[in-house]
Amino acid sequence: DQQVKQNSPSLRVQEGRISILNCDYTNSMFDYFLWYKKYPAEGPTFLISISSIKDKNEDGRFTVFLNKSAKHLSLHIVPSQPGDSAVYFCAASSTNAGKSTFGDGTTLTVKP
Amino acid sequence: EAGVAQSPRYKIIEKRQSVAFWCNPISGHATLYWYQQILGQGPKLLIQFQNNGVVDDSQLPKDRFSAERLKGVDSTLKIQPAKLEDSAVYLCASSSPRQTDTQYFGPGTRLTVL
Repeated sequence: DQQVKQNSPSLRVQEGRISILNCDYTNSMFDYFLWYKKYPAEGPTFLISISSIKDKNEDGRFTVFLNKSAKHLSLHIVPSQPGDSAVYFCAASSTNAGKSTFGDGTTLTVKP
Repeated sequence: EAGVAQSPRYKIIEKRQSVAFWCNPISGHATLYWYQQILGQGPKLLIQFQNNGVVDDSQLPKDRFSAERLKGVDSTLKIQPAKLEDSAVYLCASSSPRQTDTQYFGPGTRLTVL
């Protein structure tokens, strides 16, 4: 039973356009959500997070939206740049559990 | 601030052999994690340490996998004997006491079992 799902394995976007990556979860106990970015031959790096008390968090070009009733979150990248091409993992955790459950990732390709 | 260090970066072994991976977390990070990432999948938690104690090892195949963090700093993950399905990237991560939900990952060790 996969508790965090990223249903799109890949996404291709033109440079300058918006990239939208989606994530769904099933566990109602999750109250903290994170996005990690991974380049080849490197470990994942933290990108942005959101607590369940919020429905939006913004950091520069990156915005994460949370819809608790739908158990859905999304990452928006505006504008997309070629350097954003990477695998993006959605992760979810329960408060102070200290461990996260990861989705299988979405490979984003931003075309120049 | 130095990141999470892992070695080796790559390892090729034959099935039934044993292998060990080493991790040095970020200084001051009390929590250390070992993940297994199979190609095309997300990281799956194998074991979580808080200082030198095990917090969660429910997903660790204990018949062949073992891990230790003797002095609450470095950690070693061992596989003995290895199987073909153990081929994966093994990621080590750490988190600080003030922000336990955000993990900092090392570059990983890519294991190939032939």
